Amino acid sequence: DAGITQSPRHKVTETGTPVTLRCHQTENHRYMYWYRQDPGHGLRLIHYSYGVKDTDKGEVSDGYSVSRSKTEDFLLTLESATSSQTSVYFCAITTGASGGRTGTGELFFGEGSRLTVL
Amino acid sequence: GESVGLHLPTLSVQEGDNSIINCAYSNSASDYFIWYKQESGKGPQFIIDIRSNMDKRQGQRVTVLLNKTVKHLSLQIAATQPGDSAVYFCAEIDRGSTLGRLYFGRGTQLTVWP
Repeated sequence: DAGITQSPRHKVTETGTPVTLRCHQTENHRYMYWYRQDPGHGLRLIHYSYGVKDTDKGEVSDGYSVSRSKTEDFLLTLESATSSQTSVYFCAITTGASGGRTGTGELFFGEGSRLTVL
Repeated sequence: GESVGLHLPTLSVQEGDNSIINCAYSNSASDYFIWYKQESGKGPQFIIDIRSNMDKRQGQRVTVLLNKTVKHLSLQIAATQPGDSAVYFCAEIDRGSTLGRLYFGRGTQLTVWP
């Protein structure tokens, strides 16, 4: 258990509404990530953070923004949710930091947040 | 990733048998590989990793084999148990890349029946 908490765990919303998912960690890890998981695609990186106020885009960042104002919290925001953003969202941290801005240690994942956009 | 199409590859084994889950990775520069297990409704969990300077690594009841020549990775589970039923993902990373990040395969659904 890497002390990762995601909230909310389940959310149903309507197209066009803003949504924010929160990832909270208790162990002061530098690197945090947001992934989405969809059938046929596996886990895909949305955004990641390598420190407070330091964030960067992943491979599927369109339509998403992130913020990290404190070490322990990494927020994922959908400014205007679309049905294509219906997915399960996972936050992750890594305890390894050798080489590469995204860290290279194994990832520890939260329990996921299931988002349905109607 | 290890498969194409929308459906996960599946593997069904009987309790007590050995399981072999395969993964074909795509980047010849990848030098670090991880297997994850994901149970229904949960996040993926680390099982075992292997670096590219190795071709075999053993854990408790699990063995990972790496064949860099054909870019193939396999996970062997000995004496498979019902609790092993889950989706298994391989992940690869090129740690030498300044933008290095983990890339995940689509997963294989393992079902263990008594």
